[in-house]
Amino acid sequence: DAGVIQSPRHEVTEMGQEVTLRCKPISGHNSLFWYRQTMMRGLELLIYFNNNVPIDDSGMPEDRFSAKMPNASFSTLKIQPSEPRDSAVYFCASSFIHGSNQPQHFGDGTRLSIL
Amino acid sequence: AQSVAQPEDQVNVAEGNPLTVKCTYSVSGNPYLFWYVQYPNRGLQFLLKYITGDNLVKGSYGFEAEFNKSQTSFHLKKPSALVSDSALYFCAVRDMRDDKIIFGKGTRLHILP
Repeated sequence: DAGVIQSPRHEVTEMGQEVTLRCKPISGHNSLFWYRQTMMRGLELLIYFNNNVPIDDSGMPEDRFSAKMPNASFSTLKIQPSEPRDSAVYFCASSFIHGSNQPQHFGDGTRLSIL
Repeated sequence: AQSVAQPEDQVNVAEGNPLTVKCTYSVSGNPYLFWYVQYPNRGLQFLLKYITGDNLVKGSYGFEAEFNKSQTSFHLKKPSALVSDSALYFCAVRDMRDDKIIFGKGTRLHILP
């Protein structure tokens, strides 16, 4: 049973470039979450979707960040333009509908380095 | 405002000894409480949860956690630590009234051989 799949696992790019992170949630899960993890700030929820609809994007740090979920099996997090302070590990997680008591299942993350 | 606190950045325990990783929470409604573990270069893995019922919850890898409503705590425990338990542990709480989930800052557990 495949877990949450994120790509790429590592991304190194220069500031100003567009970065797109991808996530495939577990089949049958209808909630999807994007998190960012840094040493300074810990684990931060950026945005989450229920049934492909964004529910809460209050954690998205700036307009440079955007997320989409065009269908139940795919989501993207885009940063344009990227800045060095965006360097972090970005996690995608999925679960059954967020209003339930079900735990979230995390992917192994994308380690992003902006030079 | 809801919050979760893990008061210890790091906990060191000798192999074979019991371990406790502390977590306290603050929510306006009834809490759903979770513990997750993160190994290096991996995502968080679910360990256990408290929703309702028995205050002692058993989870994966021999871990358990005790819900204490009066102390608003949900400490993670294991009777006998293994070196392989060394990892980063996160407590999380979801307030059923506004549906937000909050993770603690994490506690790094070192099990010394």
